[in-house]
Amino acid sequence: DIQMTQSPSSLSASVGDRVTITCRASQNINTYLNWYHQKPGKAPKVLIYATSSLQSGVPSRFSGSGSGTDFTLTISSLQPEDFATYYCQQSYSTPYTFGPGTTVDIK
Amino acid sequence: QVQLVQSGAEVKKPGASVKVACKASGYTFTNYGILWVRQAPGQGPEWMGWISAGNGNTKYSQRFQDRVTITRDTSASTAYMELSSLRSEDTAVYYCARDFFCGGACYYFDSWGQGTLVSVSS
Repeated sequence: DIQMTQSPSSLSASVGDRVTITCRASQNINTYLNWYHQKPGKAPKVLIYATSSLQSGVPSRFSGSGSGTDFTLTISSLQPEDFATYYCQQSYSTPYTFGPGTTVDIK
Repeated sequence: QVQLVQSGAEVKKPGASVKVACKASGYTFTNYGILWVRQAPGQGPEWMGWISAGNGNTKYSQRFQDRVTITRDTSASTAYMELSSLRSEDTAVYYCARDFFCGGACYYFDSWGQGTLVSVSS
């Protein structure tokens, strides 16, 4: 199975801050990397697919980059509704594994 | 709009089985796959398996290979996930999600059910 890691595991930030989350795969996954966020008690919601494609309806302050084993999710200006846990997930091969998550909370 | 509605919470004893339903609406059920993901308290999501709603083909995570069965009923636009030989470590929220194919090996999960809490306790 492909192992996914994320850093940091948590971060504190203020509204308006630029936030970057890193995801690393245990082997080359090309650009088959998706990002989700999840709020307590809710299902995950896709933000970015195929490394850098913005899901319909997702604000343009979210962006993604990377390839191979190293990927980043950037929020250009953090908004109150962005405080959540963020997960990366690979679709290169089954089982489609998720990272352990990065929790973004209010400073 | 696309909607996935799951069956309600379950409480089971160790060794029992549980079957969770996921009813789809708002799209052509047989044109997409449905996958099942579980999330233990405080943990990240874990992919359990997938079914093609069109032809019924399945893939399972090796971790659950011997205990999980995913089926579908096209006449009811409903997918099912059955997990057997339950143990306390299976206590989690179980989600179904629609599998969106975006080309090559690109798949992402674009619509999710509300989740079903399965509690396993003696």
